Amino acid sequence: DIQMTQSPSSLSASVRDRVTITCRASQNIISYLNWFQQKPGKAPKLLIYAASSLQSGVPSRFSGSGSGTDFTLTISSLQPEDFATYYCQQSYSTPLTFGQGTKLEIK
Amino acid sequence: QVQLQQSGPGLVKPSQTLSLTCAISGDSVSSNSAAWTWIRQSPSRGLEWLGRAYFRSKWYNDYAISVKGRITINPDTSKNHFSLQLNSVTPEDTAVYYCARDRSIPVAGSYYFGMDVWGQGTTVTVSS
Repeated sequence: DIQMTQSPSSLSASVRDRVTITCRASQNIISYLNWFQQKPGKAPKLLIYAASSLQSGVPSRFSGSGSGTDFTLTISSLQPEDFATYYCQQSYSTPLTFGQGTKLEIK
Repeated sequence: QVQLQQSGPGLVKPSQTLSLTCAISGDSVSSNSAAWTWIRQSPSRGLEWLGRAYFRSKWYNDYAISVKGRITINPDTSKNHFSLQLNSVTPEDTAVYYCARDRSIPVAGSYYFGMDVWGQGTTVTVSS
């Protein structure tokens, strides 16, 4: 199985901050990497697919980059509704696997 | 607008079978560009992909090794839904279960999958 490791596990930030979350795959997954946002009691929401493509309806302050084994999710200017848990997920091979999550909290 | 509506019991006894259904509206379970997927989430396991069913001229299934032998994901074309059956459950199967559409998306000449539509989630507790 491909292991996905996110860092940090938690992060405190303020509104209008720029935030970066990192995801590392245990082997080369080219660009088969997705990012999700999850709020308490809700299903995950797809933000970014194919490492850097913005899902329809997602604000442009979200962006993704990377290829191979190292990927990043950047939120350029945090808004109050962005405080949530973020997950990466590889779609390169089954079993599809997720990172352990990064909880983004208000400072 | 594609929507997924989950149904099924929230309490299952140990050794029995967990059965959930995911009704699809706005898309077809026989779509050639989607895989119909079950995922679960628990504090101990995080988000765990369980398996999928998809149609590409014929039906295919992929399952996670952790549940292989106990899991069946079946499409029902007459009702446009798909189901999850997990046999011989134990308390370790207690989780929130989600269905999702994993859609094939063209990007720069290649195809990538993304779980773009999710059900509302069902909390399943395995307990006597």
